[in-house]
Amino acid sequence: DAGITQSPRHKVTETGTPVTLRCHQTENHRYMYWYRQDPGHGLRLIHYSYGVKDTDKGEVSDGYSVSRSKTEDFLLTLESATSSQTSVYFCAISQNMGETQYFGPGTRLLVL
Amino acid sequence: AQSVTQLDSHVSVSEGTPVLLRCNYSSSYSPSLFWYVQHPNKGLQLLLKYTSAATLVKGINGFEAEFKKSETSFHLTKPSAHMSDAAEYFCVVILSGGSYIPTFGRGTSLIVHP
Repeated sequence: DAGITQSPRHKVTETGTPVTLRCHQTENHRYMYWYRQDPGHGLRLIHYSYGVKDTDKGEVSDGYSVSRSKTEDFLLTLESATSSQTSVYFCAISQNMGETQYFGPGTRLLVL
Repeated sequence: AQSVTQLDSHVSVSEGTPVLLRCNYSSSYSPSLFWYVQHPNKGLQLLLKYTSAATLVKGINGFEAEFKKSETSFHLTKPSAHMSDAAEYFCVVILSGGSYIPTFGRGTSLIVHP
């Protein structure tokens, strides 16, 4: 398995609180992605990064921000969590855009 | 624009019978196409990919898929289902020459009966 870890793996939080999810890779891949997975929707791209400090929005970026200060770490922040952000969040990496992606184990987030 | 449609949300088969999971895409450019599998409470794992080489692509665990440009399809097949194949399967399309952002299908849940 590609060296990708996500933390925390499970989190319960309350509406209005900030939440940060971390993705860490040991593969030195340039691209990193954050997805959310919801029943009936497959995976939807939130944000992605193509290098340190280089990020761009995906399909469902509203309410989320990201940061990448090191090649190996990609952080996803929910500034003020809402119940609609209850989901399973996956991080992925790839060497180049358009190539095979390798996925982390996921983070289950419940916003009450 | 690109999109991908997985034609069945659920497919149910008996162990030992063939599997067919259907995927159609729309793309103005030459696509790269992928199938991923997700077992319960796990991340996604690559099954196979098409990137403009051979149209019949062989993947792991006996799965294969055929790229048919005229039908804009990339259906996933396996001759004989195994209980361990029960999982969620995702078809993914990426434009070549476009934005390179992956687009995921909504997934097909494969159920395998003993």
